[in-house]
Amino acid sequence: NAGVTQTPKFQVLKTGQSMTLQCAQDMNHNSMYWYRQDPGMGLRLIYYSASEGTTDKGEVPNGYNVSRLNKREFSLRLESAAPSQTSVYFCASSEVGPSDTQYFGPGTRLTVL
Amino acid sequence: AQTVTQSQPEMSVQEAETVTLSCTYDTSESDYYLFWYKQPPSRQMILVIRQEAYKQQNATENRFSVNFQKAAKSFSLKISDSQLGDAAMYFCAYRSMEYGNKLVFGAGTILRVKS
Repeated sequence: NAGVTQTPKFQVLKTGQSMTLQCAQDMNHNSMYWYRQDPGMGLRLIYYSASEGTTDKGEVPNGYNVSRLNKREFSLRLESAAPSQTSVYFCASSEVGPSDTQYFGPGTRLTVL
Repeated sequence: AQTVTQSQPEMSVQEAETVTLSCTYDTSESDYYLFWYKQPPSRQMILVIRQEAYKQQNATENRFSVNFQKAAKSFSLKISDSQLGDAAMYFCAYRSMEYGNKLVFGAGTILRVKS
C-alpha cells in the first residue's frame, strides 16, 4: 500500500515549457487535490476533484489545468510555465466527507527559470 | 472566506519539555473540522491530530493534545515530552462542512527541539 505517489520528485523547466505532474493513490479515495506550497505560506489549493469525472477550481487555479484520468489518478498540467510557478506541489486524496483526513504525497519541487 | 493564522513563525523547546503552538481562525460556520499537520525536512505532510468543532472534548493523540476554544476561534497544539523527532514545520488547517472538502492552511510554525 503506497498511499499517494507523485512523479517526478524534482523538475527544472525553462519559461514557456510545459509539463504534467502525475499523482496516483491506491486507497480507493473519491476525492483528490493539488496544492502548492511557497515559502512563508501554507499550502494553497490549486484544483480539486470531488469524484471521478469532476474537477473544480481552488484558490490559485490560473496557469494550471487538471485531468482526473480515473479514480486513482489526478494530473496537473502547466501549459506554459512561468517563474511565478516555482513552488513545491503536493497531491492529496481523501474520502468525500469533510471529516475525512487528507493524505498527502511526497511533493514535487518545481523550478522555472 | 475562512482564514487561518499562526502567529508564531518559529518556536524552540528543550527536549522532554512541553511546547504549545498557537492557531486562530476566522469563520462564520458553526460546524467544521480543524487539523494539525507536521512537515519534517523530508517534506512529507503527516496528520498529527484533528478536532471536530461540534465536540467539546479536546482531541488527544499520545503526546499531542489540543486546546480548542470555539468561542475564541482558537486551536492550539500542545506537545508534551518533546523529542528530537518532533522538529518540523507544523501547519494548522481548517476544513469547511459547507464548501467542499478544501483545506485552508495557516502559514506554519517551525519547531526546533534542543538536546
